[in-house]
Amino acid sequence: RKEVEQDPGPFNVPEGATVAFNCTYSNSASQSFFWYRQDCRKEPKLLMSVYSSGNEDGRFTAQLNRASQYISLLIRDSKLSDSATYLCVVNIGYNQGGKLIFGQGTELSVKP
Amino acid sequence: DAGVIQSPRHEVTEMGQEVTLRCKPISGHDYLFWYRQTMMRGLELLIYFNNNVPIDDSGMPEDRFSAKMPNASFSTLKIQPSEPRDSAVYFCASSFGSGYTFGSGTRLTVV
Repeated sequence: RKEVEQDPGPFNVPEGATVAFNCTYSNSASQSFFWYRQDCRKEPKLLMSVYSSGNEDGRFTAQLNRASQYISLLIRDSKLSDSATYLCVVNIGYNQGGKLIFGQGTELSVKP
Repeated sequence: DAGVIQSPRHEVTEMGQEVTLRCKPISGHDYLFWYRQTMMRGLELLIYFNNNVPIDDSGMPEDRFSAKMPNASFSTLKIQPSEPRDSAVYFCASSFGSGYTFGSGTRLTVV
């Protein structure tokens, strides 16, 4: 079983749609959680951290359920510029540093 | 700050040749990570360093791979001898606290 598993893609949605990505992780000792975004042939970039109480950043909402070892990302009012691969990421180890384990990623394509 | 700098951006080499990838982390960052990305396996952590000391190299695929960090501003990942299955994008990342920054990657093709 992979340490971090995500919904298979691709997701093809029209502009303005709401789309949700799901992710599960296997290591119950995981310390911190993130969503990264990766554009085609570019490096991954941090989209947002995920906190136990849930957090929002504009059109993006992240949720964490430690009991179920489940992470989600909701994108509202999707834009063409949201087209990218979204990576669920878990930090296993120390809170400061440690190592990031990436899911396979879910590709999102937003169409006009 | 120039960010994490990797070189070369692209490398094409013949099977059996030695390949050296280079990384300059962000000044002040105390962690450095080497990742490999392929379509089949996604992003895999190969090895990471803390204060120039290797902490976990369990992701290094085999003895053909080696990594060093002689000082806080430089790291190398070496493959010797290279094989076609090593073709991938290799990313270096550095961090201080919870902020991770990736370099632009080296796209390696072994023919």
